[in-house]
Amino acid sequence: EAQVTQNPRYLITVTGKKLTVTCSQNMNHEYMSWYRQDPGLGLRQIYYSMNVEVTDKGDVPEGYKVSRKEKRNFPLILESPSPNQTSLYFCASSPRSFATNEKLFFGSGTQLSVL
Amino acid sequence: GDSVTQMEGPVTLSEEAFLTINCTYTATGYPSLFWYVQYPGEGLQLLLKATKADDKGSNKGFEATYRKETTSFHLEKGSVQVSDSAVYFCALHNAGNMLTFGGGTRLMVKP
Repeated sequence: EAQVTQNPRYLITVTGKKLTVTCSQNMNHEYMSWYRQDPGLGLRQIYYSMNVEVTDKGDVPEGYKVSRKEKRNFPLILESPSPNQTSLYFCASSPRSFATNEKLFFGSGTQLSVL
Repeated sequence: GDSVTQMEGPVTLSEEAFLTINCTYTATGYPSLFWYVQYPGEGLQLLLKATKADDKGSNKGFEATYRKETTSFHLEKGSVQVSDSAVYFCALHNAGNMLTFGGGTRLMVKP
């Protein structure tokens, strides 16, 4: 089954403790992206990747890191989480470097709480 | 920069009522426009799209028409069902590699 898989689904952590949220897609997609969803603000893009070893900042990259060493995986790293990073996170992918008629395929989300 | 504005929710309707969720955008050039739907506990799914002015996107009884003169892409459905309860996001893609989302509108349909 074609899908985008995020783990974990829920995560509670404390300020300053490094964490990684994994994202994997099995569709051989070139484009992958991370979003955070906050009430009233919709989805805001954190980072995106056009292909292996090619990453770029989105609208809200501060406090986050990503890597794209393999085509299928695009982990999101929080080196020193803070409470303002408490949010619902989504990974998404698209077949090619984003074209106007391509749709995004989303994972089921990771609810992160930073205490 | 580009932006998308949606009506605030929640929108509460009775089953079989007519639905309109307003969406307006600000962008240079000729963006493509999308509606995504998020059912409880799930990620977003593409509902419909339109890539040029006067195009109408449609899917599952939902429709939206790309109106360049009013910079709008309002979502409509003639008769909603309880299963349509979800959060709806309007989005645009312009030049570049990012999708810009609106704030989302929660729809609640009561039997």
